[in-house]
Amino acid sequence: DADVTQTPRNRITKTGKRIMLECSQTKGHDRMYWYRQDPGLGLRLIYYSFDVKDINKGEISDGYSVSRQAQAKFSLSLESAIPNQTALYFCATSDPYQETQYFGPGTRLLVL
Amino acid sequence: GQSLEQPSEVTAVEGAIVQINCTYQTSGFYGLSWYQQHDGGAPTFLSYNALDGLEETGRFSSFLSRSDSYGYLLLQELQMKDSASYFCAVSGSNDYKLSFGAGTTVTVRA
Repeated sequence: DADVTQTPRNRITKTGKRIMLECSQTKGHDRMYWYRQDPGLGLRLIYYSFDVKDINKGEISDGYSVSRQAQAKFSLSLESAIPNQTALYFCATSDPYQETQYFGPGTRLLVL
Repeated sequence: GQSLEQPSEVTAVEGAIVQINCTYQTSGFYGLSWYQQHDGGAPTFLSYNALDGLEETGRFSSFLSRSDSYGYLLLQELQMKDSASYFCAVSGSNDYKLSFGAGTTVTVRA
């Protein structure tokens, strides 16, 4: 079984709809991250959480919100989706004070 | 803030050596990481340098010069399976939060 899972893997939605992307991990890591990837722009950090009670904005948090329901679960919401939020979204986890991040398989989101 | 530059594309033949350079400008620096991503897949960790010098892991090596704000990833004995995108990423502090470069697409030809 995969250590970091994301659901759904693919999603098509319409402008203005609210959607939630979910991430679960079995690695026992405290730290979780949400990134978006656009062609030619690499990975950009949306939000990150260093423990259940700690939520921080990344470099591109506008239009997004997150919820850390448990150590193992970190959800990303788009309150009102817009077409330029069409992207590949990755969740990642890491141990405190360790440099390695472990990525989920990604969610491909298309906003029409 | 953080700014990283790496070449967008590199093409080489099987068995060759490829070097992917990464220069960075950061408000703080703790370490330089490299990740590999096959088309549409999840990024996977390759290496990490916190100190100057060369780190070798099998066919891949990574180098860091903190004084030059520069690092590189060296891919040796290229194989077709090495065709992928490679990202450098900087940790600006000891929380290891990463800022990624735009990525270098490596294409290996027979």
